[in-house]
Amino acid sequence: NAGVMQNPRHLVRRRGQEARLRCSPVKGHSHVYWYRQLPEEGLKFMVYLQKENIIDESGMPKERFSAEFPKEGPSILRIQQVVRGDSAAYFCASSPMQGRFLEAFFGQGTRLTVV
Amino acid sequence: SQQGEEDPQALSIQEGENATMNCSYKTSINNLQWYRQNSGRGLVHLILIRSNEREKHSGRLRVTLDTSKKSSSLLITASRAADTASYFCATDEANSKLTFGKGITLSVRP
Repeated sequence: NAGVMQNPRHLVRRRGQEARLRCSPVKGHSHVYWYRQLPEEGLKFMVYLQKENIIDESGMPKERFSAEFPKEGPSILRIQQVVRGDSAAYFCASSPMQGRFLEAFFGQGTRLTVV
Repeated sequence: SQQGEEDPQALSIQEGENATMNCSYKTSINNLQWYRQNSGRGLVHLILIRSNEREKHSGRLRVTLDTSKKSSSLLITASRAADTASYFCATDEANSKLTFGKGITLSVRP
């Protein structure tokens, strides 16, 4: 059984470009969570999605950031017009049920560097 | 806002010693989890303790939970150099997401 798969593992973008981060959840999991980790910091919640629905986006910056989890395919976190402050590790987690986060299955993360 | 706050921020011990890390939180929780993260890597789930449990063991790990004090501790016994990592507590609140603390950096000297 494959765990949560994130790609790419490392992504370098110039200021002003777009970054697209992909997350394939554990097979059978329909709940996906995105977190951001700045250097020397803990993980900060960004967004919680179910298939085709955004459930909680209270941690998402109001501009330039968007997330989707289509019926088919991986979840995508999209950052438009990246700035240096977007440099961070972005982690995705999936779970099989809503309401009780019994055990989050985390991916290895995508490390975004904006130059 | 930060829910889990770990203490101490950094801990350095000798191999073979025990390491105790603490976590405090603010709101009611369904469960509390501890994770490990090696430098530059992803998160590894260590142990989960439910709100109605007081203590749990897994190998060299022992976790306690005191809901009256809103605190938890993670004890690693007989530490090894390979235990060197950052450790995070995460709380599962009623709003269906995990909230992480800033983490504790543990260094185990061989």
